Amino acid sequence: DVKVTQSSRYLVKRTGEKVFLECVQDMDHENMFWYRQDPGLGLRLIYFSYDVKMKEKGDIPEGYSVSREKKERFSLILESASTNQTSMYLCASSLSGGLLGGTEAFFGQGTRLTVV
Amino acid sequence: QKEVEQNSGPLSVPEGAIASLNCTYSDRGSQSFFWYRQYSGKSPELIMFIYSNGDKEDGRFTAQLNKASQYVSLLIRDSQPSDSATYLCAVKSGSNTGFQKLVFGTGTRLLVSP
Repeated sequence: DVKVTQSSRYLVKRTGEKVFLECVQDMDHENMFWYRQDPGLGLRLIYFSYDVKMKEKGDIPEGYSVSREKKERFSLILESASTNQTSMYLCASSLSGGLLGGTEAFFGQGTRLTVV
Repeated sequence: QKEVEQNSGPLSVPEGAIASLNCTYSDRGSQSFFWYRQYSGKSPELIMFIYSNGDKEDGRFTAQLNKASQYVSLLIRDSQPSDSATYLCAVKSGSNTGFQKLVFGTGTRLLVSP
């Protein structure tokens, strides 16, 4: 059974705190992604990684950084949490693949982060 | 213009009817298209993918792709109340490094009434 596991289901942090969201996959996937999901805005890509130590900015990287030291683990870091980062954060992983083919992305259960 | 556009709904259909969900995309070079279902409070899960023009059927689900019109749709036959969820269209899109990232629409909420 494929699995993407996020470290926390719910998290409450204070403004200005440094926040770490962890994601682990057990499928030996090359690609890992961090999205945030907000009502009316859908899933927006923050960062993705296509290999260990490799990362690329998504559509909304401001205020975030990532770390991928091992293939199975992809961390999202909020350097100084702000209230506008209150959201549902979803991690996903997939096999690498070209333009064709259904390289399915598997999602973790999500972390609902509230910044107060 | 958003890369992937969907009507947010809700789309309401009676049980047993056909639900038709639509999606348009802006990147003409996109080659792979995905439909995900997301129940409230849950993570998205893949229903189907399609990359050739035409129809692809899987059980009660049919995905349709028209690359010339940059249009992809999902038909759900014999809709059931358990199909009530948000349906996300996703398109594989190229990035600056050539890596193909998955871009999602905002989703269409489907309500199937008994």
